[in-house]
Amino acid sequence: SQQGEEDPQALSIQEGENATMNCSYKTSINNLQWYRQNSGRGLVHLILIRSNEREKHSGRLRVTLDTSKKSSSLLITASRAADTASYFCATPTSGGSYIPTFGRGTSLIVHP
Amino acid sequence: EAGVAQSPRYKIIEKRQSVAFWCNPISGHATLYWYQQILGQGPKLLIQFQNNGVVDDSQLPKDRFSAERLKGVDSTLKIQPAKLEDSAVYLCASSLQGPNTEAFFGQGTRLTVV
Repeated sequence: SQQGEEDPQALSIQEGENATMNCSYKTSINNLQWYRQNSGRGLVHLILIRSNEREKHSGRLRVTLDTSKKSSSLLITASRAADTASYFCATPTSGGSYIPTFGRGTSLIVHP
Repeated sequence: EAGVAQSPRYKIIEKRQSVAFWCNPISGHATLYWYQQILGQGPKLLIQFQNNGVVDDSQLPKDRFSAERLKGVDSTLKIQPAKLEDSAVYLCASSLQGPNTEAFFGQGTRLTVV
């Protein structure tokens, strides 16, 4: 099964700055999903971007997808302390079952 | 719309004991997943159901883990006997059938095996 790998593993920024996280994957996909996980809580779905889409926005979030490079990025603009969390990308397995498969995540800390 | 419900939220057991987790997916979601998330790692799939049939259980340690989804709705995940390395958060998720559908997660059950 393939797995998305997030980079960097950890990111520390000041409130108001932008945060960029990257995800690389190995084989062709039909979509890629980004999730957020606050300490001690479940995963919250942020954005799903399809393979025929290059960019998608949701509030302060901007996701890009480059299928030629097999990579995606998540940009959080004007970050807030409440954005402190771990961020994961999930790519579906091949073979028709479309199981979201996760990397180790990026741990983001936003200092007030 | 109600989210994915899981219980209990926390469980502490001794090694070699058994434990069960329960999940109620979002109404109408045919697909249900159980994931294991060890501290500092991403979630790892244990099993996927489509309605009440198993689609993928290749990473489920079948000598000690079992799962069922009766009537294609609620699901239970059982560990018997538990080992120290089973300490993790167990996450249940559900989605509509097919590709390009979001998976929605419950709050998880934090299991500590002592």
